[in-house]
Amino acid sequence: DTGVSQNPRHKITKRGQNVTFRCDPISEHNRLYWYRQTLGQGPEFLTYFQNEAQLEKSRLLSDRFSAERPKGSFSTLEIQRTEQGDSAMYLCASSHRDRSRTEAFFGQGTRLTVV
Amino acid sequence: AQSVTQLGSHVSVSEGALVLLRCNYSSSVPPYLFWYVQYPNQGLQLLLKYTSAATLVKGINGFEAEFKKSETSFHLTKPSAHMSDAAEYFCAVSTDKLIFGTGTRLQVFP
Repeated sequence: DTGVSQNPRHKITKRGQNVTFRCDPISEHNRLYWYRQTLGQGPEFLTYFQNEAQLEKSRLLSDRFSAERPKGSFSTLEIQRTEQGDSAMYLCASSHRDRSRTEAFFGQGTRLTVV
Repeated sequence: AQSVTQLGSHVSVSEGALVLLRCNYSSSVPPYLFWYVQYPNQGLQLLLKYTSAATLVKGINGFEAEFKKSETSFHLTKPSAHMSDAAEYFCAVSTDKLIFGTGTRLQVFP
């Protein structure tokens, strides 16, 4: 299967701890997106990369959040000093730049629970 | 700015009944519009998309949607609901990223 892969699928952490999620996009896709989805809501855009360049960050992405895509392939999303409000599903998606308006493929998501 | 509004956070239908999920968009440029489905604890799966070709778009699992510019709508329909259609449905509009609506939870009763 060459779809978008996210790890881990589930993460439970104590408040104040740091967590890191990984996303492996479809191999030929040069765009990678991160979204956050809280219960009962639609996915909210966090940030996206084109190759290794981070082109846009939402105001939702506080200073405690950082995303990287160092070699233009996989990406990591780190949350420092987690808070209970960070509990959510974190979704990754990828697309090809030339088709970024017409298709994006999503991973299964990482569900974060902060206790 | 582009946005979508989904009318009705919950829709309940009987098995075999018509499914109608409503989505209205706002866009200053010709929009690209999408419907995604999400099953519990899963990612998003593309049902169908409108990219300025035919206004009636057919998707997977018997779903279809019609782009109506005069009504700024892109409602999702299915003639006959099946129990397996129970899920969360999201309408989205595309700029250089997808902007999602708040979702509609579809319940199907036997």
